[in-house]
Amino acid sequence: AQSVSQHNHHVILSEAASLELGCNYSYGGTVNLFWYVQYPGQHLQLLLKYFSGDPLVKGIKGFEAEFIKSKFSFNLRKPSVQWSDTAEYFCAVKGYSTLTFGKGTMLLVSP
Amino acid sequence: KAGVTQTPRYLIKTRGQQVTLSCSPISGHRSVSWYQQTPGQGLQFLFEYFSETQRNKGNFPGRFSGRQFSNSRSEMNVSTLELGDSALYLCASNGLAGADTQYFGPGTRLTVL
Repeated sequence: AQSVSQHNHHVILSEAASLELGCNYSYGGTVNLFWYVQYPGQHLQLLLKYFSGDPLVKGIKGFEAEFIKSKFSFNLRKPSVQWSDTAEYFCAVKGYSTLTFGKGTMLLVSP
Repeated sequence: KAGVTQTPRYLIKTRGQQVTLSCSPISGHRSVSWYQQTPGQGLQFLFEYFSETQRNKGNFPGRFSGRQFSNSRSEMNVSTLELGDSALYLCASNGLAGADTQYFGPGTRLTVL
C-alpha cells in the first residue's frame, strides 16, 4: 500500500522567508506526485504535479517542487513567501490506483 | 467551464440518521471520487466512480455507499450516522478513470450530533 508522510503539521514564517515543506512517500513502483493547497474558506486546488521528466517542477504562484527518487521525496519550495500563502498544503501520491494524501501542513505567514 | 459543485454545503444530522450528498462534476468529466477530510486523519479516499461503475473503494465501513448516474453526477450515502462521521466530504472529478489530476469541489460539511 502507498503512504505519504508530511514532516511538519504546522509551520510559521514571516513574509519574505523561504519555505520548504517536506514530503516522503512509500511505494515501490512508478508514482505520480502532487501538491495541493487549501486556502482558508476555499476548496482544494492543484499547486503542481510531477508525472515524468525533469524532476524539478514549477507550479502556480512561484511554488516549485523537486522529486528525488532515491529519497522517495517530493519537497515543496518557495523562495519568498507572502501573507497570502497562508493555507494548508497537502502532498499526494498516486501509484497503481487511488490518490493518497498526506495529513497536511498548515502554513501561517505573518505580515 | 463551471467547476465541481456539491450540495448541500452544510448539513446537521443526529446519530442514527442517514444522509445523501450530491456532486456534479465538471462538464465532460466522467470520473468522480469522494474523500472524507477530518482534522485528525486528513483526506481519506472513499470511492471512485467512472461511467456509473465503482472502480475503487477505500477502507470505510459498508454504511458508506455511493453511485453515479448516466450524466456523471454522483451521490454518496451514509447510513446510521455516528458522531465520528462528522467531516468535510469532498468530491473530485477528472476526465478519465484513474486519471491523475483531480479537480475538487467545495465540499459538504456534515455535523453529526
